[in-house]
Amino acid sequence: NAGVTQTPKFQVLKTGQSMTLQCAQDMNHEYMSWYRQDPGMGLRLIHYSVGAGITDQGEVPNGYNVSRSTTEDFPLRLLSAAPSQTSVYFCASSPHPSSNEQFFGPGTRLTVL
Amino acid sequence: AQSVAQPEDQVNVAEGNPLTVKCTYSVSGNPYLFWYVQYPNRGLQFLLKYITGDNLVKGSYGFEAEFNKSQTSFHLKKPSALVSDSALYFCAVRDGSRTGNQFYFGTGTSLTVIP
Repeated sequence: NAGVTQTPKFQVLKTGQSMTLQCAQDMNHEYMSWYRQDPGMGLRLIHYSVGAGITDQGEVPNGYNVSRSTTEDFPLRLLSAAPSQTSVYFCASSPHPSSNEQFFGPGTRLTVL
Repeated sequence: AQSVAQPEDQVNVAEGNPLTVKCTYSVSGNPYLFWYVQYPNRGLQFLLKYITGDNLVKGSYGFEAEFNKSQTSFHLKKPSALVSDSALYFCAVRDGSRTGNQFYFGTGTSLTVIP
C-alpha cells in the first residue's frame, strides 16, 4: 500500500490564481481530512469527509473547497489564492469516523506571492 | 470548546536523560488523546493514544504518556532520550462523547536531544 499520497510536493502561485491539491489513499478509509500547518499555530483543520459524497467544514474553511466523489480521493481547491494561504498542507485519513489514529500524507508546501 | 495546549515551544534534554513533553487539554466530554511526531519535511506519525482504561499508555519507540484527569494533562515521557528522538511533537484531542469528527492539535513542541 502507498498509504496517503499528496501532489504536488511544492507549489508557487500568484495571488488570484486557482489550483487543486490532490490527496489519495489506498487503504479504503472512510474518513479523510485536510490540515494546514503554520509556525506557532500547529495544525488546523480545514475540511473533512466521513465518506464519499459527505464533506464538512473544519476550523479554517474559508477560501477552500473540497469534494469527495470517491472513497480514495479528497482534493482541496483554492479558488483564488491569497498570500495568507501560504502554508504546508497535510491530508490525513483513518478507517472510519470513530477511528482514532490518523495516517498523514507527506505534505504540500504552498507559497502564494 | 475543545482545545489543546503545549506550553513549551522547545525542550532540550541530554541524551540518556528522561524527557517530558507537556500537554493539557480541554473538552466538554470524554477526552480521546493522542501524540504524534513529525520529523523534518515529513508528515505526522502516530505515537500513542488514550481512549479509556489504564492511565499510563505505552506507544511506539519507547514513548509513554500519562493521562491525568484531575489536571487535564497528557504528558509524553521517555525514560532515556535518544538523539534520534529529536523532532516536533504534537498533542491532539478529540471529544469522544460527540458525534463530530474533529481533532484539535496543539501548537507543537520541538524536542532537541543533545549528544
